[in-house]
Amino acid sequence: GAVVSQHPSWVICKSGTSVKIECRSLDFQATTMFWYRQFPKQSLMLMATSNEGSKATYEQGVEKDKFLINHASLTLSTLTVTSAHPEDSSFYICSARDAGSAPNYGYTFGSGTRLTVV
Amino acid sequence: QKEVEQDPGPLSVPEGAIVSLNCTYSNSAFQYFMWYRQYSRKGPELLMYTYSSGNKEDGRFTAQVDKSSKYISLFIRDSQPSDSATYLCAMNSGGYQKVTFGIGTKLQVIP
Repeated sequence: GAVVSQHPSWVICKSGTSVKIECRSLDFQATTMFWYRQFPKQSLMLMATSNEGSKATYEQGVEKDKFLINHASLTLSTLTVTSAHPEDSSFYICSARDAGSAPNYGYTFGSGTRLTVV
Repeated sequence: QKEVEQDPGPLSVPEGAIVSLNCTYSNSAFQYFMWYRQYSRKGPELLMYTYSSGNKEDGRFTAQVDKSSKYISLFIRDSQPSDSATYLCAMNSGGYQKVTFGIGTKLQVIP
């Protein structure tokens, strides 16, 4: 089945630094990738939707200059948390859609990245 | 009011029990309904998806959708300790629309 590889699985960084999270679709082409954030005991919250070769669409309240998303190819999307602060500490998860699947059949999630900003 | 309501639990059941997990929603435009299983510190894994109202069965899992009541359910028969996880309901209006998730119900199956 479709696999999305997400790295790193966990990262600790100092306040003010930037962190890059990568998601790769291993055996399919991902025309659309979604980036979610999940705080403890809370639901997955969509941060942004990116389509290959175009600018990401950010959800209301998500700072586009802080959470930089690049979807330069059909198999790779990156999320960069710039000037990270402790309140950015969370579980970040990507989801990719198989371009060859029907709508809603091909949402595959990465394994998530636990970000801790100290 | 949240678009999707789901009891966070935790729900503890003995091994072999039938588990019933539920969500209610408010957006009548939702047509695709999904259930995901998420183990601790892992990404969600798609278990079931259904379109519009009706039932769908896959092994020990049965998904039910009642659009008239805006209520969806996931039943797990003969529950196993390995079923212990958080179960998230999710839904959208179809196509390329964003998916809205419930908060997730934490399930523990006790041997």
